[in-house]
Amino acid sequence: EAQVTQNPRYLITVTGKKLTVTCSQNMNHEYMSWYRQDPGLGLRQIYYSMNVEVTDKGDVPEGYKVSRKEKRNFPLILESPSPNQTSLYFCASSLARGNTEAFFGQGTRLTVV
Amino acid sequence: GESVGLHLPTLSVQEGDNSIINCAYSNSASDYFIWYKQESGKGPQFIIDIRSNMDKRQGQRVTVLLNKTVKHLSLQIAATQPGDSAVYFCAENIRGAQKLVFGQGTRLTINP
Repeated sequence: EAQVTQNPRYLITVTGKKLTVTCSQNMNHEYMSWYRQDPGLGLRQIYYSMNVEVTDKGDVPEGYKVSRKEKRNFPLILESPSPNQTSLYFCASSLARGNTEAFFGQGTRLTVV
Repeated sequence: GESVGLHLPTLSVQEGDNSIINCAYSNSASDYFIWYKQESGKGPQFIIDIRSNMDKRQGQRVTVLLNKTVKHLSLQIAATQPGDSAVYFCAENIRGAQKLVFGQGTRLTINP
């Protein structure tokens, strides 16, 4: 089954404790991205990757890092989480840059206290 | 600037009726407009897209209309069913950019 898998689904952590949210897709997609979803603000792009070892900032990259060492994986790293990073996070993949059909993961609800 | 907005945050319809969800956009550099559906507890799911040089596109029970004159996009769902209950997002693919720009969403609820 074609899918994007994120882990964990839920996470509560404390300010400053480094965490990683994993994302994996099994569709051999080139393009992957991370979004955060906040009430009233919709989905905003954090980082994206056009292929292995090619990543770039989206609209709200501050406080986040990503890596793309393999085509299937695109982890999101919060080196020092803060309460304003409490949000619902989605990983998405699509066949290539500019492709309108993005496949989203189930989401990771992160709470930073 | 880049923005995609929605006329109404909520829409309630009777089961079996047609639903129309509206969206306004401001960026004229978009080459595609897209509708996504997000059910509770799930990630957004692609429904249908329309190229900017088209006015109308039909899918299964859905029709998307694009009016470039007034920068308006709509999604029509025929014979709305309980399974259509979700938040619907319009999005635009900005030519040359590396992202989809999403609107804030409209929650569609179905009354029995």
